[in-house]
Amino acid sequence: AQTVTQSQPEMSVQEAETVTLSCTYDTSENNYYLFWYKQPPSRQMILVIRQEAYKQQNATENRFSVNFQKAAKSFSLKISDSQLGDTAMYFCAFMKQQGGSEKLVFGKGTKLTVNP
Amino acid sequence: NAGVMQNPRHLVRRRGQEARLRCSPMKGHSHVYWYRQLPEEGLKFMVYLQKENIIDESGMPKERFSAEFPKEGPSILRIQQVVRGDSAAYFCASSFRTGGEKLFFGSGTQLSVL
Repeated sequence: AQTVTQSQPEMSVQEAETVTLSCTYDTSENNYYLFWYKQPPSRQMILVIRQEAYKQQNATENRFSVNFQKAAKSFSLKISDSQLGDTAMYFCAFMKQQGGSEKLVFGKGTKLTVNP
Repeated sequence: NAGVMQNPRHLVRRRGQEARLRCSPMKGHSHVYWYRQLPEEGLKFMVYLQKENIIDESGMPKERFSAEFPKEGPSILRIQQVVRGDSAAYFCASSFRTGGEKLFFGSGTQLSVL
């Protein structure tokens, strides 16, 4: 069974600094997709970044980038130039595809606080 | 282009009552997913539907829970005879197609069972 582990329950960073959130996953599949979602206090789940496992190039979206290590099954999120609005829960997710169905398997999340 | 719309945002029910949660997917999306989030936890998959069809309900409790996505109108998640353990945030997501496509989430419905 696929599992997603986020080993950092909470992290904090100073505004304008860089922070990296860890995520590891377990799967026997070769082709799959990985995601990072942000959940601010408003509770809205916002897609931050998406990675296709068959692509070696790490995905980037403005200040957000990932370090995807397929062999190590690691998918960390780097936030550069942190802003106060980045304060939120961050969830790593693995997309499981089976028998015509797709579902996201989420980690337990990392609570990130950006301090002024 | 409105996003995924869920209502109500908050729903309070007494034990034994029924809860109906509604979800309108993004325009053009025909794939709908329901997830449940307990406090301090990540989201857990419940059910995946396409128009008029349940594709995967492997995450849904066998009793009291049901979901539909009719040809016309929103998707409905229905919980009968609610119990305190059903208290959670219920999220709906939609996608244009499958194949690792991005899922767009609604703001969720917070169900509180008294």
